[in-house]
Amino acid sequence: GAVVSQHPSWVICKSGTSVKIECRSLDFQATTMFWYRQFPKQSLMLMATSNEGSKATYEQGVEKDKFLINHASLTLSTLTVTSAHPEDSSFYICSARGTGIDLVGGYTFGSGTRLTVV
Amino acid sequence: GDSVTQMEGPVTLSEEAFLTINCTYTATGYPSLFWYVQYPGEGLQLLLKATKADDKGSNKGFEATYRKETTSFHLEKGSVQVSDSAVYFCALSDEYNFNKFYFGSGTKLNVKP
Repeated sequence: GAVVSQHPSWVICKSGTSVKIECRSLDFQATTMFWYRQFPKQSLMLMATSNEGSKATYEQGVEKDKFLINHASLTLSTLTVTSAHPEDSSFYICSARGTGIDLVGGYTFGSGTRLTVV
Repeated sequence: GDSVTQMEGPVTLSEEAFLTINCTYTATGYPSLFWYVQYPGEGLQLLLKATKADDKGSNKGFEATYRKETTSFHLEKGSVQVSDSAVYFCALSDEYNFNKFYFGSGTKLNVKP
C-alpha cells in the first residue's frame, strides 16, 4: 500500500535555530500534502495544506513565516520551523493524498516528528 | 465549528475483553466519520469509515456505527488481542471540504496477555 516516510522521527534543537522536517511519499505521487500538529493530550490540528508547485494554504492562526512549507515535487514536502522556541515543541505529522485515491479517507500518514526546543 | 471528542485514555484491557472507545462529534451538515489507528513507531492508518447516517464501518473485527441522532461514532471490538495495542483517533471530515479533518485527541489502548 501507499507509504509516507517522515524524517526525522524526533529532534531536539536550541531555541532560535531552524528545523526542517521532511515528508516523502514512497510509492505514489502526492498531489496534496497536509501538515498537522498535536499538543500533549490534545487533538491533531491541521496547520496547512500544500499542493505541488503552489503556495501552501495555512489554517487560521498558523504563522506562515514561522512554519515554512515547501512542496516542490510530487513526492516531497518539507516543513521548516524557523527560529524555533520552546512553545513550538510539539508532535508534527504529515499526510498525503495521491491522484486517483479515494477522496473520503484516502490519506496516508507519516509516523510523525517529535520536536523539542530547549 | 466542527470538533471531535473522544474518551481519554489510557484504556487497559485483558486479552479477549470487549472494547468500546467513545467518540462524539459536532458538525454542521453531514460529515464523514473515521477511526484511525497508530501503532508504535508508525503513521496513522485508516481503520474504518462511514460516510452517512446509520452506516456501519468495520475492519479487522472493529466496528463503528454513524449515529446522527446521538452524534456518535463509538468504536467497538468483541475480543481484543495484544496486537490491538495502539492509539486510536476518531476523526471527521467536513461535508464540503473532505481535505479538512478534525481529529479527537486519541485514546491509547493497552491490551495485556
